[in-house]
Amino acid sequence: LAKTTQPISMDSYEGQEVNITCSHNNIATNDYITWYQQFPSQGPRFIIQGYKTKVTNEVASLFIPADRKSSTLSLPRVSLSDTAVYYCLVGGPNTGFQKLVFGTGTRLLVSP
Amino acid sequence: EAGVAQSPRYKIIEKRQSVAFWCNPISGHATLYWYQQILGQGPKLLIQFQNNGVVDDSQLPKDRFSAERLKGVDSTLKIQPAKLEDSAVYLCASSLAVGQTNEKLFFGSGTQLSVL
Repeated sequence: LAKTTQPISMDSYEGQEVNITCSHNNIATNDYITWYQQFPSQGPRFIIQGYKTKVTNEVASLFIPADRKSSTLSLPRVSLSDTAVYYCLVGGPNTGFQKLVFGTGTRLLVSP
Repeated sequence: EAGVAQSPRYKIIEKRQSVAFWCNPISGHATLYWYQQILGQGPKLLIQFQNNGVVDDSQLPKDRFSAERLKGVDSTLKIQPAKLEDSAVYLCASSLAVGQTNEKLFFGSGTQLSVL
């Protein structure tokens, strides 16, 4: 199973763009990269998933370089409500989506 | 669309007592997961069901934990007897199916267990 490494914490201010990078050096060919967001007292919530290049949805963008050994979650113009823990997971149909391992995640604190 | 329902929301018990958690997944979701999340850590998978069959229970402490998913819908997770280190949030999640390229997990709000 591909192991992921993320910063433990990040600080930002409202209105700024936040980029959280995740390293996954031993990602397998068929693995996807998935990001979840977790607020206190809630379960994680799916944010975005990608395989290569760039994926964008209404919440975030995911940038994946050609070697796929890392990925960057980009949150445009964060607000106080984006304060949460963000998890990067790697897995796929062959390595077992069901065995997706949540690390300790990145604690993002957005200040006024 | 209704989300994953879990109950109770909170539970306080003494060590060596028993406790059970209930989960109702999103309608039509074949796969159901139970996770344990200790304070300050990410969720850890305990057991995964595909319909009413167990796919993975390798990290379930089977001497004290048990889970079932009768009829392939609702599920219960039981701890008997509880230990102090079982204090955690127990999260239930469901997904449409295993092995899809865009597998997405939907989580409930969890049950916070305190063992005294």
